[in-house]
Amino acid sequence: EVQLVESGGGLVQPGRSLRLSCTASGFTFGDYAMHWVRQAPGKGLEWVSGISWNSDDIGYADSVKGRFSIARDNAKDSLYLEMNSLRTEDTAFYYCAKGPYASSWSTSRFDSWGQGTLVTVSS
Amino acid sequence: EIVLTQSPGTLSLSPGERATLSCRASQKVNSSNYLAWYQQKRGQAPRLLIYGESSRATGIPIRFSGGGSGTDFTLAIARLEPEDSAVYYCQQYSSSPGTFGQGTKVEIK
Repeated sequence: EVQLVESGGGLVQPGRSLRLSCTASGFTFGDYAMHWVRQAPGKGLEWVSGISWNSDDIGYADSVKGRFSIARDNAKDSLYLEMNSLRTEDTAFYYCAKGPYASSWSTSRFDSWGQGTLVTVSS
Repeated sequence: EIVLTQSPGTLSLSPGERATLSCRASQKVNSSNYLAWYQQKRGQAPRLLIYGESSRATGIPIRFSGGGSGTDFTLAIARLEPEDSAVYYCQQYSSSPGTFGQGTKVEIK
């Protein structure tokens, strides 16, 4: 069974940084593209970033480009999201999501999701 | 980017009834119909229901079916059950960035 477990969320002040992690199990992590999708409380879903199986291809939503950085460590079955210069509008649940293919980094359906970690940006 | 508009905003139906949810795209979703549907129950992560416009994801009951093409897509839920109470989102992954609709809430009376 595919399992994705996010961690690292919390309360942070505007302008500060935070690093999210996602640990995967139940599948061969290194064979698939991975993504971060966020959801502001009570709102809809927004794709944030995606990374191909070998990290060669990476994409970001315009709303986070230049501030967020995605990375993965296939040896540790882990996905990361480094978030810098955080804004109040970045407040959301952040979900780690698995793509169906190795290279579906820029646009993809998401066939498995973690339970999410809440990031609250507030002074 | 492609904007997806879902209707209605809320659907309130009784168990056993059929639900029909609509998703309209601002531009044509390409010929492979890269359109997916997700179910999100309160307090839970989204779950993939339908992809490629009409293929059911693993473990999804046959009561759930997808259809449509071009710019107009539907999700049908035959014979509603109490556990179908959730928000349903459509998503296009035909062009980057992939985008989601704003959701349709299905309430079971």
